[in-house]
Amino acid sequence: AQKVTQAQTEISVVEKEDVTLDCVYETRDTTYYLFWYKQPPSGELVFLIRRNSFDEQNEISGRYSWNFQKSTSSFNFTITASQVVDSAVYFCALIENRGSTLGRLYFGRGTQLTVWP
Amino acid sequence: DTAVSQTPKYLVTQMGNDKSIKCEQNLGHDTMYWYKQDSKKFLKIMFSYNNKELIINETVPNRFSPKSPDKAHLNLHINSLELGDSAVYFCASSSPGTSVYNEQFFGPGTRLTVL
Repeated sequence: AQKVTQAQTEISVVEKEDVTLDCVYETRDTTYYLFWYKQPPSGELVFLIRRNSFDEQNEISGRYSWNFQKSTSSFNFTITASQVVDSAVYFCALIENRGSTLGRLYFGRGTQLTVWP
Repeated sequence: DTAVSQTPKYLVTQMGNDKSIKCEQNLGHDTMYWYKQDSKKFLKIMFSYNNKELIINETVPNRFSPKSPDKAHLNLHINSLELGDSAVYFCASSSPGTSVYNEQFFGPGTRLTVL
């Protein structure tokens, strides 16, 4: 079973629109961490945020914000006033607290975001 | 000043050949990883080493053999390459000691094409 589900395969928006990328995760652990990574067309993977399972406070960083809700097992990512440079594949990922999987990042399948000028 | 570097960036080779991809990190991390990204962009872990010791060995063919000569290096050797091995391979590292939950920093990737 997929531990991290990103149901939106592709999203297209026009510049300055707000866009939310959905992420739903599945784990039996009480301690876990969630991540978002960005992969621009150049191909590298860029770390965006880490959130632990005990901290449900929403986080804002410039135009980026993250909404973590344990009740719905979701960790959604919103880009406000999107720009062309935001065009990339965005990955949500999970690390669980299990001895056999320590440090193993489970990635969702990614959401391709295209921002048109 | 590159944090995690990989060589080569592109690798084109024939089926049946043996090839290696090298990874080095200068972040002082003690845990390193190899991930494979397939043509549909799906990322999956292959191996993880902590202080030169193998921690995670995902279900990959034994044609793939990681080697960690020291904490700063984790190389990936692939024997008898097959068409299905074509992918982008990413090396990553994470910060020492305190938490396996720390963010992993990725190298630029190596695009392997098997003809």
